[in-house]
Order: sequence, then C-alpha cells, then structure tokens
Amino acid sequence: SAVISQKPSRDICQRGTSLTIQCQVDSQVTMMFWYRQQPGQSLTLIATANQGSEATYESGFVIDKFPISRPNLTFSTLTVSNMSPEDSSIYLCSVKRENTGELFFGEGSRLTVL
Amino acid sequence: AQSVTQLGSHVSVSEGALVLLRCNYSSSVPPYLFWYVQYPNQGLQLLLKYTTGATLVKGINGFEAEFKKSETSFHLTKPSAHMSDAAEYFCAVTLWGDKIIFGKGTRLHILP
Repeated sequence: SAVISQKPSRDICQRGTSLTIQCQVDSQVTMMFWYRQQPGQSLTLIATANQGSEATYESGFVIDKFPISRPNLTFSTLTVSNMSPEDSSIYLCSVKRENTGELFFGEGSRLTVL
Repeated sequence: AQSVTQLGSHVSVSEGALVLLRCNYSSSVPPYLFWYVQYPNQGLQLLLKYTTGATLVKGINGFEAEFKKSETSFHLTKPSAHMSDAAEYFCAVTLWGDKIIFGKGTRLHILP
C-alpha cells in the first residue's frame, strides 16, 4: 500500500485568502486524485492530477478556484483560492493501485474558513 | 454511468450483535466494489474489495461482503460488533480505468 502524507492536517483561514495543501506519496504514481468531504457528507472528486499535464476537473470545480500542480510522480498540491465559509471541508489526496483500482488516502486536510 | 446507494445514513447495533450495512450499485458491466471505513478525524481506510473471482470477500477487522450480481448488492457484514467498529463506512464502485464513485456513507453506532 502507498503511504500518503498531507500538509497541513488542519488550518483555520480567513475569508478571501488562499491555502495550498501538499500531498507527498512514498512511491511513484501516475494519477493522483483530490477529493472534498464537506461536513457530514460523502467524498466528491475535485480533479485528477497527472504528471506533466493539466489536471482534469469534475463538473462544478474549476481551475481558477482549485488550481493543482503535479511537478513529479510523487507530489501534488491543491490550492483553495479566495476561500469562503462554504469551502470549509476536509480535502483528501489519494492514489490508485492500477491493477485493482483501489484508492489509498492521505489523512486529509481539515480547513475551516471564518 | 455507475452509481452507488447506501441504505441508512445511521445504523445502530448492540455490542456483540450482527452488523449489516447495505450497499446497492448500478452499473452496465460488472464493476469493482469497495468498502472503506473512516474513523473520526482520520482519512479513509480500505476494508475490503471485490474485483473478480470469489464473490464472498473477507476484509480487515472481521468484516466481509458478498457480491450478488442478481441483486446488484455488496452488503457489508460482521458477525459480532465491537465498540471500536463505530465509524463512518463508505461503499464505492468503479469500472476499470474509471473514477471511483462513493456512496453517501453510513455511520455505525455501537450500543453498549
């Protein structure tokens, strides 16, 4: 299984500011995924990040709001821009095992926007 | 497109009793199915998965699930609940090479 580290684990942010979440994997992976889990809700896929190409965003998510970087095969960042209280969520980084399709998750980054 | 439905957002069972968490999926072809568990303030952990082969799959912590194609179900069971099983459980479905879709989750409460 992959070991995934996310930073920060939690943060309290002011409205209008931006925060970048980092995700580090202990092995090289082709695709990394960013999910959002709003309070009491399930996981919603924000985007898929492939190394060397633009991230692919799901319906309802745009690059201006959630810019993603993927500089190499073990690292990715997600920025939550111009935050509002509605962005208060847990943001989870994950990677996929290619032969079985299962996802491995980081511990998540819990953001609270005041 | 595939989808997954979890019946019951909250389930309560007594310690030592049978745990049954229900999951039904919709897919045009046989999917890959997963159950994940999320403990408070933690990320998601894979409990078990079905890809191909034996339809009864065993996972960690004494959980198991059975893939029933005729019923499009993948219910999660554990014979005897333990207090440490209290958590949020997510059923998920994917097709090979596609994104994973999660159910809305079921919070399991264990009564002493």
